Amino acid sequence: SYDLTQPPSVSVFSGQTASITCSGDKLGDKYVSWYQQKPGQSPVLLIYQDVRRRSGIPERISGSNSGNTATLTISGTQAMDEADYHCQAWDRNSYVVFGGGTKLTVL
Amino acid sequence: EVQLVESGGGLVQPGGSLRLSCAASGFMFSNYWMSWVRQAPGMGLEWVANIKQDESEKYYDPSVKGRFTISRDNAKNSLYLQMNNLRAEDTAVYYCATGLYVNSPADYWGQGTLVTVSS
Repeated sequence: SYDLTQPPSVSVFSGQTASITCSGDKLGDKYVSWYQQKPGQSPVLLIYQDVRRRSGIPERISGSNSGNTATLTISGTQAMDEADYHCQAWDRNSYVVFGGGTKLTVL
Repeated sequence: EVQLVESGGGLVQPGGSLRLSCAASGFMFSNYWMSWVRQAPGMGLEWVANIKQDESEKYYDPSVKGRFTISRDNAKNSLYLQMNNLRAEDTAVYYCATGLYVNSPADYWGQGTLVTVSS
């Protein structure tokens, strides 16, 4: 099976840049999506096809994917960005794969 | 406005069955792949199954294959998940979502329905 690995938690000071990684074998050859999930709410699509922002998502949220690692970057982090973030990719053998999720804490 | 509304969750004993439903509105349901994704308490997201627009293709996570069946009724704009032989580890919030096939992300998610498998 294909696995995606995310750090369980990331902390960032308010106003600084947060980077959340997602690692998998040759992940750069696949398209990665990122979802934000706040407590008690459903996931919300942020980024798809590695770098495309969903309509309405601010430009301070961006994605990249190369080699074995995809990265979600949040610039000028705000209290409202505190949430769980999930990466997701498609593998032709495992089909839909999610990372374990990363809890972002804004200090 | 796109809406996905799940129903059918509840408490069931191990070995029991449940049928989840997802009512879709606000978009052309018949044009979309649809998926079920679950989230156990305090855990990450786990894909369960997805289904092509015309039901000609269906895919399942190995943990549910042979026990769960995904289906849809395009005339009723509805998605279903028949869950049989339920286990404690199937306890989770179950979400229906659009897409999740190849490079198509999950654009929209429902609010989820809780399934608890316990004696």
